[in-house]
Amino acid sequence: DVVMTQTPLSSPVTLGQPASISCRSSQSLVYSDGNTYLSWLQQRPGQPPRLLIYKISNRFSGVPDRFSGSGTGTDFTLKISRVEAEDVGVYYCMQTTQFPNTFGQGTRLEIK
Amino acid sequence: QVVESGGGVVQPGRSLRLSCAASGFTFRSHGMHWVRQAPGKGLEWVAVIWYDGSNKYYADSVKGRFTISRDNAKNTLYLQMDSLRAEDTAVYYCARWGEGAKMDVWGQGTAVTVSS
Repeated sequence: DVVMTQTPLSSPVTLGQPASISCRSSQSLVYSDGNTYLSWLQQRPGQPPRLLIYKISNRFSGVPDRFSGSGTGTDFTLKISRVEAEDVGVYYCMQTTQFPNTFGQGTRLEIK
Repeated sequence: QVVESGGGVVQPGRSLRLSCAASGFTFRSHGMHWVRQAPGKGLEWVAVIWYDGSNKYYADSVKGRFTISRDNAKNTLYLQMDSLRAEDTAVYYCARWGEGAKMDVWGQGTAVTVSS
């Protein structure tokens, strides 16, 4: 199974400042079709997960442009350019390149 | 949207069937996933079914005990959970398998508690 490792597990950030979360996979996430199926999800307190980014860097419909994704192969990053209060929650990376699909442990974003 | 139902409190060893009703999109054109989240824990993928039911995959933790199925005429996804264990206690979410292998539509979840 592909193991997804996120760092940090907790990230205190000042409002208006940037935030960055890293995700590393135990093996390449490049599929045979050449695509890399790495997504980022946000889970606000008491809410279900919400898709933010898919295929490394594609922002999902309705997601603010302060969220961006990057990376290749086994190393990926989610960046928030300027953190807002509504960004508080847990962020997960997830691979859907192979089954079983697997998630990172989650990174808790909190406001300082 | 998708709406899960069927959760509740059940004794170890018993069975439960979850449902996920879909609306607002062409259900029969999309694969569907079940994902769960134990209390205070992260997300765990459970199972997937192809748009036409032709293929199914399961997490090792539920293989042989859980069965994913769908009824495209009823726009409904199911998860039959047998031989339930305490470690199956979680909120269960269904999610649409969208283009680009993304899980793009999530329900609010239904809570399952396995306890004597």
